Amino acid sequence: DQQVKQNSPSLSVQEGRISILNCDYTNSMFDYFLWYKKYPAEGPTFLISISSIKDKNEDGRFTVFLNKSAKHLSLHIVPSQPGDSAVYFCAASEGQTGANNLFFGTGTRLTVIP
Amino acid sequence: ETGVTQTPRHLVMGMTNKKSLKCEQHLGHNAMYWYKQSAKKPLELMFVYSLEERVENNSVPSRFSPECPNSSHLFLHLHTLQPEDSALYLCASSPSGASYNEQFFGPGTRLTVL
Repeated sequence: DQQVKQNSPSLSVQEGRISILNCDYTNSMFDYFLWYKKYPAEGPTFLISISSIKDKNEDGRFTVFLNKSAKHLSLHIVPSQPGDSAVYFCAASEGQTGANNLFFGTGTRLTVIP
Repeated sequence: ETGVTQTPRHLVMGMTNKKSLKCEQHLGHNAMYWYKQSAKKPLELMFVYSLEERVENNSVPSRFSPECPNSSHLFLHLHTLQPEDSALYLCASSPSGASYNEQFFGPGTRLTVL
């Protein structure tokens, strides 16, 4: 059973507007969450992370929000730029167990329209 | 070369062939990983090596055989594969196998089994 879910396979947003990508998880032992971005013919590249002791982490145009009670996290990109068009993967790990195994969602393809 | 490199980038093989995928990381990391990404499925962790020792084998069939001769190199030896093994195989590395580390990915090898 999939422990990390990204229910929207695709999202289109106008340039300059906000992009919101969502991710849900089922395992309450997850305490570290990451977002990766993937361009075609390249491997995923790390974007931003958040640990379960926080509910928000911001890095420039990218902000990740974590709602532990809802087992939900979201990535906000504002303002969106055409270069942000890519597939975004949400990942989670049970850091407290000492393992670094990442569980990934299926990804959301973001298209930013100029 | 910088980051994580993988060769070959594309591979077509028959079910009776033996081939190997190679991964090299130039980041000074101590942990390396093999992932499989099939169409419309999340990335699935296959193997984890930490300090050249295998620490995880996620019920992967024996037709996949990993090898980690040193902390910079990781191989995936393939023999008698099935058509359903066709997928993108991604290698990743992290500073250690401990928790709360982001993983850095290579570009992947697109494998087709005929």
